[in-house]
Amino acid sequence: DAKTTQPNSMESNEEEPVHLPCNHSTISGTDYIHWYRQLPSQGPEYVIHGLTSNVNNRMASLAIAEDRKSSTLILHRATLRDAAVYYCIVLIYGGSQGNLIFGKGTKLSVKP
Amino acid sequence: DGGITQSPKYLFRKEGQNVTLSCEQNLNHDAMYWYRQDPGQGLRLIYYSQIVNDFQKGDIAEGYSVSREKKESFPLTVTSAQKNPTAFYLCASSTRGLGNTGELFFGEGSRLTVL
Repeated sequence: DAKTTQPNSMESNEEEPVHLPCNHSTISGTDYIHWYRQLPSQGPEYVIHGLTSNVNNRMASLAIAEDRKSSTLILHRATLRDAAVYYCIVLIYGGSQGNLIFGKGTKLSVKP
Repeated sequence: DGGITQSPKYLFRKEGQNVTLSCEQNLNHDAMYWYRQDPGQGLRLIYYSQIVNDFQKGDIAEGYSVSREKKESFPLTVTSAQKNPTAFYLCASSTRGLGNTGELFFGEGSRLTVL
């Protein structure tokens, strides 16, 4: 699996946009980029995923660099409930193991 | 509502005792997983199962055992051979091979403390 690099922590103010970066320089052409987040004392939840094009859903947007070596998760207006650890994961599509490897992620703090 | 149910939420165990954590899903998913999380760390895979009556070891299977007799259930036993069992245990499920979305569905976790 391709390795990912994320900052350990980030801070944001409530109602401001947040850009969470992720580097995945060893990504292969068919590997998908996934983002999960984990609220305190809960299991992770799926946020978004993408391959090449930028993606939007009700939770966030995913901007993928043209060379695919990096991506950015965008929360358009941070709320206090967005304070969580955000994991960037690269997954080989259709891989038989189906194992998502979770690193330490980025701990996002949101200030009121 | 469909989802994954883990029980118990909190569990205390004396050293040398085996303990079994329950995981049940009603999402009709073929694949199920057990992860372990230590404070401030990411998740590490213990075991996973892609289909009933079949399972594979993950990265840290030593001291753990699982069974997959039913599609809905994937219990994890933490045995006395696990040297440092105090942790947060997470069960997850997905369509087999993670399908098109690659979405894992997680339970709320079981926190095991060894006294």
